[in-house]
Amino acid sequence: AQTVTQSQPEMSVQEAETVTLSCTYDTSESNYYLFWYKQPPSRQMILVIRQEAYKQQNATENRFSVNFQKAAKSFSLKISDSQLGDTAMYFCAFMNHAGGTSYGKLTFGQGTILTVHP
Amino acid sequence: DAGVIQSPRHEVTEMGQEVTLRCKPISGHDYLFWYRQTMMRGLELLIYFNNNVPIDDSGMPEDRFSAKMPNASFSTLKIQPSEPRDSAVYFCASSLVLLETQYFGPGTRLLVL
Repeated sequence: AQTVTQSQPEMSVQEAETVTLSCTYDTSESNYYLFWYKQPPSRQMILVIRQEAYKQQNATENRFSVNFQKAAKSFSLKISDSQLGDTAMYFCAFMNHAGGTSYGKLTFGQGTILTVHP
Repeated sequence: DAGVIQSPRHEVTEMGQEVTLRCKPISGHDYLFWYRQTMMRGLELLIYFNNNVPIDDSGMPEDRFSAKMPNASFSTLKIQPSEPRDSAVYFCASSLVLLETQYFGPGTRLLVL
């Protein structure tokens, strides 16, 4: 079974600064996707970014980018030029693409609460 | 395009009552997922459907929980009878195919007194 660990329960950053959220995962599979979802106070789960494990290039979406280290099983999220609207809980998630009982299912980390201060 | 729609957004009920949560997936998405989020257990997959057929219900906690998908645009998650430990946020999500991004609805916050 896969596990996803987010070791930072809470983080804070000043507006316009850069912050990095950590995520590690444990799997014996080589074919998978990784995701970061954002959950603001409204509770809506919003996709931030996706990374396919077979791609060596790190995914980027505007101010959001990842540092994907496949050998280290690490998948961190970098938020540049932080904005007040980035305040939310951030979840790292793993999706197995290789088969077995967890095939196609999302496994979530416990989340990191990010607060952006003005 | 409309996203995943869930209703109600909030539900308060008393122990023993039947609760029905509703979900409308994104049009054209063949997969629908039900999740539960609690402080203690985080986000858990309860069940998912493909083309209206339940594929994996291994996450359904007990027989009090049931889910149906009578057509491609509607699904329900029912709890009967409800218990205080069922209090949680319940999310519905949908995806075009199984191995693609899942898009979540706004969730239903359930409180069982």
